[in-house]
Amino acid sequence: DTGVSQDPRHKITKRGQNVTFRCDPISEHNRLYWYRQTLGQGPEFLTYFQNEAQLEKSRLLSDRFSAERPKGSFSTLEIQRTEQGDSAMYLCASSFSVGQGKEKLFFGSGTQLSVL
Amino acid sequence: SQELEQSPQSLIVQEGKNLTINCTSSKTLYGLYWYKQKYGEGLIFLMMLQKGGEEKSHEKITAKLDEKKQQSSLHITASQPSHAGIYLCGADGSNFGNEKLTFGTGTRLTIIP
Repeated sequence: DTGVSQDPRHKITKRGQNVTFRCDPISEHNRLYWYRQTLGQGPEFLTYFQNEAQLEKSRLLSDRFSAERPKGSFSTLEIQRTEQGDSAMYLCASSFSVGQGKEKLFFGSGTQLSVL
Repeated sequence: SQELEQSPQSLIVQEGKNLTINCTSSKTLYGLYWYKQKYGEGLIFLMMLQKGGEEKSHEKITAKLDEKKQQSSLHITASQPSHAGIYLCGADGSNFGNEKLTFGTGTRLTIIP
């Protein structure tokens, strides 16, 4: 087990193009989170899954953003019609939870998106 | 909404010196996480604190959550170049069981040899 894996590490795209990122969580983890981080700021919560169910979405996640976790394992985050303001580091994180308590949250190395 | 303020924003210390980073919340903390981040990289989990008065240590790093559960401190003893990076605190102001965190803006730590 090598931790949370994200692909690609870097993505450069032109404004208006669609992009898709992939996250592979730690294998036994049932929760998966997407965060976004801009330069000089801390990460901001976007959305999270419990198994395959998307349980919460932030207001930051506009209609151009969609996330899926079809089999409760890996997840994809798609951004349609990218804008320059979408340029950021997109971080995936995962945890294992069986109850109502909070658990350790492990992050991947992120995908750095640059929209030209 | 919950806000986290970290202080100082940046810190330059000589190798071997001790240092402390603080994280203050606008609301009661139900889970306080400390992470370290290298520039352009992901977050490395350091510690998680949940109970008021809780203190945890790992190698030369100690983190505490105060009794009133609205402030945490991270203390590094005998700092080394490997400690350099950005330290982020993250917290959830809800007692609901998930890890939807609000983060501070980070403390950038530089170690001078």
